[in-house]
Amino acid sequence: GENVEQHPSTLSVQEGDSAVIKCTYSDSASNYFPWYKQELGKGPQLIIDIRSNVGEKKDQRIAVTLNKTAKHFSLHITETQPEDSAVYFCAAITFQKLVFGTGTRLLVSP
Amino acid sequence: ETGVTQTPRHLVMGMTNKKSLKCEQHLGHNAMYWYKQSAKKPLELMFVYNFKEQTENNSVPSRFSPECPNSSHLFLHLHTLQPEDSALYLCASSQDIKYNEQFFGPGTRLTVL
Repeated sequence: GENVEQHPSTLSVQEGDSAVIKCTYSDSASNYFPWYKQELGKGPQLIIDIRSNVGEKKDQRIAVTLNKTAKHFSLHITETQPEDSAVYFCAAITFQKLVFGTGTRLLVSP
Repeated sequence: ETGVTQTPRHLVMGMTNKKSLKCEQHLGHNAMYWYKQSAKKPLELMFVYNFKEQTENNSVPSRFSPECPNSSHLFLHLHTLQPEDSALYLCASSQDIKYNEQFFGPGTRLTVL
């Protein structure tokens, strides 16, 4: 079955810096890769996703890249703000099941 | 808000109690999911319902019993739980199981004493 690994587990940056979170997956049949943000006391919320026929997708300060050959994908947040502080999860879908990474706790200090 | 609500938000129960978690989605979706979120572990898929039919039971112990009376409501009945079942239980929905985007509720924080 699918296995998703996520790094780092924690990431501390200064406000205005960039943050990068990386994930690898094992099943080459995976074709959909969402990223979720989970704030304290809330459920995960989808922030961006990418499909296997696309190499990069951007939405304002957030971008995701996908390398299908290497089976890894990354989340890039530019000009980080304190409100970006949360836990971020990557996921990969295979056979209609989402498999999640273990999460990255991002702390943005003012 | 995501359009998925869960009640209660917090629940403390003893190992001999019977309780139920409720999830309701207001998005017109046809697929609903239960996930378990434990500290330092990935979200674990427990059950999937598509058009009220259970399509996935991810080797979940029988002390967890799901019920889906219609496409908008999903329950998780709990009986004779163990302390290691303490976790955040998340409900999610999607248009159907072929549509990948899932919307999550806020979760129920369960503590088993």
